[in-house]
Amino acid sequence: GEDVEQSLFLSVREGDSSVINCTYTDSSSTYLYWYKQEPGAGLQLLTYIFSNMDMKQDQRLTVLLNKKDKHLSLRIADTQTGDSAIYFCAESSLTSGTYKYIFGTGTRLKVLA
Amino acid sequence: GAGVSQSPSNKVTEKGKDVELRCDPISGHTALYWYRQSLGQGLEFLIYFQGNSAPDKSGLPSDRFSAERTGGSVSTLTIQRTQQEDSAVYLCASSSGLDETQYFGPGTRLLVL
Repeated sequence: GEDVEQSLFLSVREGDSSVINCTYTDSSSTYLYWYKQEPGAGLQLLTYIFSNMDMKQDQRLTVLLNKKDKHLSLRIADTQTGDSAIYFCAESSLTSGTYKYIFGTGTRLKVLA
Repeated sequence: GAGVSQSPSNKVTEKGKDVELRCDPISGHTALYWYRQSLGQGLEFLIYFQGNSAPDKSGLPSDRFSAERTGGSVSTLTIQRTQQEDSAVYLCASSSGLDETQYFGPGTRLLVL
């Protein structure tokens, strides 16, 4: 079946840039998403990109999409301790008139002061 | 409220009992989704409602799981004869259906003893 993969852990120093990577297998993906989950909280949508785009920037966040390689990345500039959380990559696709959503296992980002 | 709400926030039950989880989507959102997040695993898509269309039940793990959405708004996820492997965080999300961006609730943490 279709799959979304992420590395499990990432550790960076405060002020550095963080890059969280994700690969997916579904070539019919329509949207790709990044969500943030802080301890004890629900998921927060950070940003999303339509599959015919290759880049989207939103303040400190930059999303890069390589559709050929099915690779998505999230770059966080000037990473802060408040950015410590689990980051989920997800993709959606339209199949037989309904939408399917597949999430990765999440990357736990730890920001060191 | 402005966001997706879920209740209860925590539920502890005994094996074999039935449980009901409730989701109130963002007002006006036509699409509603249920997911399950088990410890150390990615999000698992369970079921999806879009307007008055028949729900996509393909993700439900067994016939013990069912969901309803009354009046196109509030949804209830019911798990009958709960098992210990049902212990997880159950997340609800809604979207306007226009751009497929989903907004998540805080989740219900279910523990089956």
